[in-house]
Amino acid sequence: EEQLVESGGALVKPGGSLRLSCVGSGFIFSDYNMNWVRQAPGKGLEWISSIRRTTPHTYYADSMGGRFTTSRDNAQNSVYLQMSSLRPEDTAVYYCARSQDFMPIDSWGQGTLVTVSS
Amino acid sequence: DIVMTQSPVTLSVSPGERATLSCRASESVSSNLAWYQQKPGQAPRLLMSGASNRATGIPDRFSGTGSGTDFTLTISNLQSEDFAVYYCQHYNNWSLGTFGPGTKMEIK
Repeated sequence: EEQLVESGGALVKPGGSLRLSCVGSGFIFSDYNMNWVRQAPGKGLEWISSIRRTTPHTYYADSMGGRFTTSRDNAQNSVYLQMSSLRPEDTAVYYCARSQDFMPIDSWGQGTLVTVSS
Repeated sequence: DIVMTQSPVTLSVSPGERATLSCRASESVSSNLAWYQQKPGQAPRLLMSGASNRATGIPDRFSGTGSGTDFTLTISNLQSEDFAVYYCQHYNNWSLGTFGPGTKMEIK
């Protein structure tokens, strides 16, 4: 079964940092570009970043303000989201999702909750 | 960034009827437009890619049209399981782009 499983969500204080992880299984991880998308409580979807399947090229939404860094380790079938200078408005469910070249997301993880609060 | 807008915000439709959802991009995205469906407590599900290509397992009640800046998702013969929130999103060669704010489809 093809699966994406996120982890690392937590309660963190404003200004803090957090690293999310996502492990893929049941498919050839290095065949896919990987993406992070978040959804604040009761709100819509917000694309955060994309990382290409076999190169370190990453793409970020301008709205993230350079505070987030995405990386991947194909040997570990994993993608990571390093978040810094966290703000209350970063509170959201963070989804890991895969896509292929020239295609949108075709599979999502179940999400991990990040809460930024003092 | 390209801005995506969707209308209406909420759509009230009766089962068995047809629903028409609109998505507009602030500049041309060619046919690089996807539609997703999201139900409460679940991750989104891909419905349509390339503006008009149904994803695997999506019934032919769902159809998509458009290119450039204006797109439409039509759902015919609405079933109870179709009541959800629908998002459009543009995408590029190797990365994704912004989502629209969503259209909530509710039972009339």
